[in-house]
Amino acid sequence: ILNVEQSPQSLHVQEGDSTNFTCSFPSSNFYALHWYRWETAKSPEALFVMTLNGDEKKKGRISATLNTKEGYSYLYIKGSQPEDSATYLCARGGATNKLIFGTGTLLAVQP
Amino acid sequence: EPEVTQTPSHQVTQMGQEVILRCVPISNHLYFYWYRQILGQKVEFLVSFYNNEISEKSEIFDDQFSVERPDGSNFTLKIRSTKLEDSAMYFCASTREDTEAFFGQGTRLTVV
Repeated sequence: ILNVEQSPQSLHVQEGDSTNFTCSFPSSNFYALHWYRWETAKSPEALFVMTLNGDEKKKGRISATLNTKEGYSYLYIKGSQPEDSATYLCARGGATNKLIFGTGTLLAVQP
Repeated sequence: EPEVTQTPSHQVTQMGQEVILRCVPISNHLYFYWYRQILGQKVEFLVSFYNNEISEKSEIFDDQFSVERPDGSNFTLKIRSTKLEDSAMYFCASTREDTEAFFGQGTRLTVV
């Protein structure tokens, strides 16, 4: 994998559903993996920064895992709410702190 | 809560004109960045800046682009001669050492 890739591109779920999406990234020379939440008309807001293989982080109903050996991270949302609707971006951080972003997963939660 | 601020929020310019996009990063941050997002496309890295010099830049960041931190607080992106394809949202971000990036609200640049 040469770029940061996210799947699916978009996701429509019902309120209360749990959901997850994937970020794949080059595993060589790994430094850090970031997840951001980007609501329409706002700027991206950091959710998690993970650096170690096997890291798991949680913030409320949102959690993330990291596998640096195989180059992927999962973001999970438990019991989705309409206010979770946003684009979720992952970004791979390098030694110079440059962040390379994926294309994002657009989540729409229907009430 | 400290935040990154960007001005203007929207800039319309004629093709060939110079534009300067301004950013005030968070005061104790060390690394500064510009990203852009062309409508419907992914967020793209332009340049990172540390210790008063460019630390990394992408192939997008050609001779038409420059960055400056003229007074220790502002961080500016200049496009010397704008092209239609420069139309995008431009985001400034700043970080401390190994932390998450804090983004400004963006400047929407429209080149006509």
